[in-house]
Amino acid sequence: QQQVKQSPQSLIVQKGGISIINCAYENTAFDYFPWYQQFPGKGPALLIAIRPDVSEKKEGRFTISFNKSAKQFSLHIMDSQPGDSATYFCAARRVFIGTASKLTFGTGTRLQVTL
Amino acid sequence: NAGVTQTPKFRVLKTGQSMTLLCAQDMNHEYMYWYRQDPGMGLRLIHYSVGEGTTAKGEVPDGYNVSRLKKQNFLLGLESAAPSQTSVYFCASIPTQGAEAFFGQGTRLTVV
Repeated sequence: QQQVKQSPQSLIVQKGGISIINCAYENTAFDYFPWYQQFPGKGPALLIAIRPDVSEKKEGRFTISFNKSAKQFSLHIMDSQPGDSATYFCAARRVFIGTASKLTFGTGTRLQVTL
Repeated sequence: NAGVTQTPKFRVLKTGQSMTLLCAQDMNHEYMYWYRQDPGMGLRLIHYSVGEGTTAKGEVPDGYNVSRLKKQNFLLGLESAAPSQTSVYFCASIPTQGAEAFFGQGTRLTVV
């Protein structure tokens, strides 16, 4: 059962364009929604994150849009650059009282930004 | 700052062999996790630990065992490797009051 569904699987964008990756979740117990960026041969690294009481968060060229009623969130990369070429994972966190929080990841989107 | 360090980085095993993957973190984080990454499947949680001496099963625990004898180390063991365990394995840690997961650089394991 995929609790966090991510699309598209792959994306090709021209330099300067906008990259958009979408995620949808099912469990309303999730309380934190991060995006991770992964370069080949490296581990994922936190890019940007949002909590469900906020509809949008922007950090530089990266923006998360969050729609709580639709249980969807998306990552927008403005002015996409070749250096943004990587795999992007959305995730959702659930906190369990008395124990660790758990992150559930989407299946990933491989972004390629062409010149 | 070392952060989260995984050893080894690459390994090839024959079916039925055993091995242990080591994860070490120097950030004094309480929570540690082992994930496996497979194409088209994202990162799936194998086992996790909420502190020294504790472990718990994640989403895909079968065929793996873990131990956390010291706070800074989290070991993942394969007792009898199978080709289905060919994957890239990532260790991560999270501080008690934090939300960001810090990942190691991964171990690429091939079982032939």
